[in-house]
Amino acid sequence: DGGITQSPKYLFRKEGQNVTLSCEQNLNHDAMYWYRQDPGQGLRLIYYSQIVNDFQKGDIAEGYSVSREKKESFPLTVTSAQKNPTAFYLCASSGGQGNQPQHFGDGTRLSIL
Amino acid sequence: GENVEQHPSTLSVQEGDSAVIKCTYSDSASNYFPWYKQELGKRPQLIIDIRSNVGEKKDQRIAVTLNKTAKHFSLHITETQPEDSAVYFCAATLYNNNDMRFGAGTRLTVKP
Repeated sequence: DGGITQSPKYLFRKEGQNVTLSCEQNLNHDAMYWYRQDPGQGLRLIYYSQIVNDFQKGDIAEGYSVSREKKESFPLTVTSAQKNPTAFYLCASSGGQGNQPQHFGDGTRLSIL
Repeated sequence: GENVEQHPSTLSVQEGDSAVIKCTYSDSASNYFPWYKQELGKRPQLIIDIRSNVGEKKDQRIAVTLNKTAKHFSLHITETQPEDSAVYFCAATLYNNNDMRFGAGTRLTVKP
């Protein structure tokens, strides 16, 4: 969907470095999500946010951090504590509580230098 | 929490044949079940979804069935075409909970 923009498309991280992945949506959706996708695996939830200034950990939150200061934006920081960060990261949003489809961005592929 | 299992992991069919992908879920309170299609290097896109008050839903060549008693749901694609080749993910979520759980995916290949 053109309503969700992730940047950059490709990102490289050096050892010990924190990097931030951007996710912006103009769909006026309340809820936003970050997923990690590894080859041959499904999408695993890192963090999600149902409203501004509130977010919840998913299954694999360790080594990641998020903020939700604006409804449109939900950036993800991959910290140096995340020892295996190489993956495809997908951001999504949905229009409210459960029973709503999630709309995805084009993803960011993160690699280690 | 919810656990979603998806089978098969790979599926190869001849063009024109039907394809069926099955998912099971663990939490009987789950009530929304979307299916996503992801082409190589692209974003997952919703293709069909079903809510727990419905047993079957169709959209042209795609249908989804839900068996709440057995806690499984299936995606059916009829008259498959090469452009149906992709990875398909099922998912399940609880009402009033945005913690959607995805299956591991099925790589469908449609041979011309």
